[in-house]
Amino acid sequence: AQSVAQPEDQVNVAEGNPLTVKCTYSVSGNPYLFWYVQYPNRGLQFLLKYITGDNLVKGSYGFEAEFNKSQTSFHLKKPSALVSDSALYFCAVRDGGTYKYIFGTGTRLKVLA
Amino acid sequence: EAGVTQFPSHSVIEKGQTVTLRCDPISGHDNLYWYRRVMGKEIKFLLHFVKESKQDESGMPNNRFLAERTGGTYSTLKVQPAELEDSGVYFCASSLSGSPYNEQFFGPGTRLTVL
Repeated sequence: AQSVAQPEDQVNVAEGNPLTVKCTYSVSGNPYLFWYVQYPNRGLQFLLKYITGDNLVKGSYGFEAEFNKSQTSFHLKKPSALVSDSALYFCAVRDGGTYKYIFGTGTRLKVLA
Repeated sequence: EAGVTQFPSHSVIEKGQTVTLRCDPISGHDNLYWYRRVMGKEIKFLLHFVKESKQDESGMPNNRFLAERTGGTYSTLKVQPAELEDSGVYFCASSLSGSPYNEQFFGPGTRLTVL
């Protein structure tokens, strides 16, 4: 069965430091991976996706993610964190031949001033 | 361009009552999805419409949940009768047709509390 794991419930990082939010996946076949962010009282906003091609995917708000097939990971990264990046981040994988997403449990990112 | 909208934003009902949630997708999006996040856990898929047809309803928890999308525009999700375990945040999403790789755009969610 397809699954996604976000091993950290919360990540704290100082403003200006690089940040990483971890995601690992388990799929049969090619993985199609997504990152979303949820700010307070808002819906999930799409950040980026990996379908095929370059392992480093660039997305919105300066975020990028690195696809690593051998480690089955798709970690979200940003070179320099902002306080405004504080939010809840979800990793998702498309479930095989369907359109539905399987989500991780979410990681709360806290950027400290 | 307006995003996905959901109504109401919050709903508090008693166990045994009925609640209807509404979702308006982005105009032109044939695909519409319902998801649910319960008690801070992962977001789980409920069902997928293509226009007015149910393409995949494998995530619907039981027959107390009824989703409709008459005319292929907005969708409703009715819970009748509501149980305590139905509490959570219900998200609606939509996407363009043509490719399963098109990202889904999510609404702000409806927070349902069943007392």
